[in-house]
Amino acid sequence: QVTLKESGPVLVKPTETLTLTCTVSGFSLSNARMGVSWIRQPPGKALEWLAHIFSNDEKSYSTSLKSRLTISKDTSKSQVVLTMTNMDPVDTATYYCARITRVLDAFDIWGQGTMVTVSS
Amino acid sequence: EIVLTQSPGTLSLSPGERATLSCRASQSVSSSYLAWYQQKPGQAPRLLIYGASSRATGIPDRFSGSGSGTDFTLTISRLEPEDFAVYYCQQYGSSPTFGQGTKVEIK
Repeated sequence: QVTLKESGPVLVKPTETLTLTCTVSGFSLSNARMGVSWIRQPPGKALEWLAHIFSNDEKSYSTSLKSRLTISKDTSKSQVVLTMTNMDPVDTATYYCARITRVLDAFDIWGQGTMVTVSS
Repeated sequence: EIVLTQSPGTLSLSPGERATLSCRASQSVSSSYLAWYQQKPGQAPRLLIYGASSRATGIPDRFSGSGSGTDFTLTISRLEPEDFAVYYCQQYGSSPTFGQGTKVEIK
């Protein structure tokens, strides 16, 4: 069974750096046909793609947030980590990680999401 | 960046009715890279359709996708009670983007 699970702080202060971890199971981060993306959703709003990483360490970032994001992976731990610097209250959202399969070119399996609130 | 515009914003229908959801792209999207997701309150999105018209594993055949270029459609042939939710289209180009969503609500 393929699962992804997000973990990280529930509350961060403005200007702080957010670090989120996605732990995957049921597939390997070394699989050339698969990658992991981070996607967020502010309360009551639409989904916003943030970044992705593939097995060959190919990375891509949202144009509007690129300067604040870093994505990395630890294949041995089956983890993908996203850091976002200089957090602001507008970054309050549920953050999801999702698997991408190159065969489908879509996000086929999603984590349950983790809600992050930015407030002093 | 490709902007996806979904219409209508809200669709009010009764169970058993047909739902037609539209997704228009600001520039041409490869059909291979157009997907639809369903999201229910408090849940993560679920992949329904990929490649514009292929149903994901376990998705009932009352869901169908069509379209090409800049205009894509998700059709639910007969609404079941569990189909009332928010639906998002998404394109998977070099920089993936989502539409703003269409809410299908019970009339």
